[in-house]
Amino acid sequence: DAGITQSPRHKVTETGTPVTLRCHQTENHRYMYWYRQDPGHGLRLIHYSYGVKDTDKGEVSDGYSVSRSKTEDFLLTLESATSSQTSVYFCAISENPFTYNEQFFGPGTRLTVL
Amino acid sequence: GQQLNQSPQSMFIQEGEDVSMNCTSSSIFNTWLWYKQDPGEGPVLLIALYKAGELTSNGRLTAQFGITRKDSFLNISASIPSDVGIYFCAGRPIQGAQKLVFGQGTRLTINP
Repeated sequence: DAGITQSPRHKVTETGTPVTLRCHQTENHRYMYWYRQDPGHGLRLIHYSYGVKDTDKGEVSDGYSVSRSKTEDFLLTLESATSSQTSVYFCAISENPFTYNEQFFGPGTRLTVL
Repeated sequence: GQQLNQSPQSMFIQEGEDVSMNCTSSSIFNTWLWYKQDPGEGPVLLIALYKAGELTSNGRLTAQFGITRKDSFLNISASIPSDVGIYFCAGRPIQGAQKLVFGQGTRLTINP
């Protein structure tokens, strides 16, 4: 299994509070992704990173920011959490998507915003 | 944005039955992937398809990359209880290949 961990695995927070989710990899892969999973929507891309300090938006980036100061860590921040951000969040990594290196997923973080 | 239509959304079958699910798109993709997600875990890659018309097997699983490059199907033969889960298709677009587009998922339930 690819070495991907996510923390925390579960979190309950209140509307308006800041939340940071962490993705850590031991594979030294260049690409890292954050997705959210909601019933009926599958997996939707929030942000991704193609290198240290290099990030780009996905299809559902509003209300989220990311940072990548080291190859192994990719942080997802909800500056002011809302109930619509209650979801399961998955991190994924890929060595190089342009050369048939596919994405491998972490175990997920279940976030509940009350 | 690009979308994948995955069907069916859910399936309820008896153990031992064969399963078929598919994904379609209005856009062309140059890669089709099939993932499985067990309850409480992240998706795991089952099969990757890279050429139009390609047919690939992984044990009891068989998947095909459609000739038009706009569709793919996944078949599971002789289902067993551990096949329960959510199956996702994903496509890699020609433009923006660093990002995958995912289907909505097919939830498979098996009655023993």
